[in-house]
Amino acid sequence: QKEVEQDPGPLSVPEGAIVSLNCTYSNSAFQYFMWYRQYSRKGPELLMYTYSSGNKEDGRFTAQVDKSSKYISLFIRDSQPSDSATYLCAMMTGQGAQKLVFGQGTRLTINP
Amino acid sequence: NAGVTQTPKFRILKIGQSMTLQCTQDMNHNYMYWYRQDPGMGLKLIYYSVGAGITDKGEVPNGYNVSRSTTEDFPLRLELAAPSQTSVYFCASSYSNDPEQYFGPGTRLTVT
Repeated sequence: QKEVEQDPGPLSVPEGAIVSLNCTYSNSAFQYFMWYRQYSRKGPELLMYTYSSGNKEDGRFTAQVDKSSKYISLFIRDSQPSDSATYLCAMMTGQGAQKLVFGQGTRLTINP
Repeated sequence: NAGVTQTPKFRILKIGQSMTLQCTQDMNHNYMYWYRQDPGMGLKLIYYSVGAGITDKGEVPNGYNVSRSTTEDFPLRLELAAPSQTSVYFCASSYSNDPEQYFGPGTRLTVT
């Protein structure tokens, strides 16, 4: 079993739709839950992260963590064509060196 | 600040050849990392460093070597290249007390 599982998609939605992206994980020691966005042929860039459980909102983006279910989500409201990218969830324990464990990534396309 | 820079951008190697992927950061980050990303997959940690002179193995270190003689530079050495090392290689850096890792633009390597 992989430590972090993410549906690779692809996911295609119309502009303005609400997008839901999800990951599950098996390591209960994970404390930091990150969402990275990666445009084609570019390096990943951090979108947002959450420490432990709960929700975090940043503009049109909301990250949720449910540690009891080992399930995290990223919601994108009022999706825009510029949101088209691969979204990678990543996690770390936060102890010692900050070794990230990534999901496979979900390729998202927002259609105008 | 240039952030994290990587050279070369692209490289084709023949089986058995060797090369060094260069990574430099100008943010005075003490932690640095090397990841590889295979097509349609997430990133996997190859090696990491928590400071000059200190390196350690990640999830997939076989076939690679690293050194860290300065805070700024973290080169990745491939010895005896194999087709399984065809991938995109990303270097990243971070502060020890900040979970955000900053990624370079990547090096696309093909081994034939």
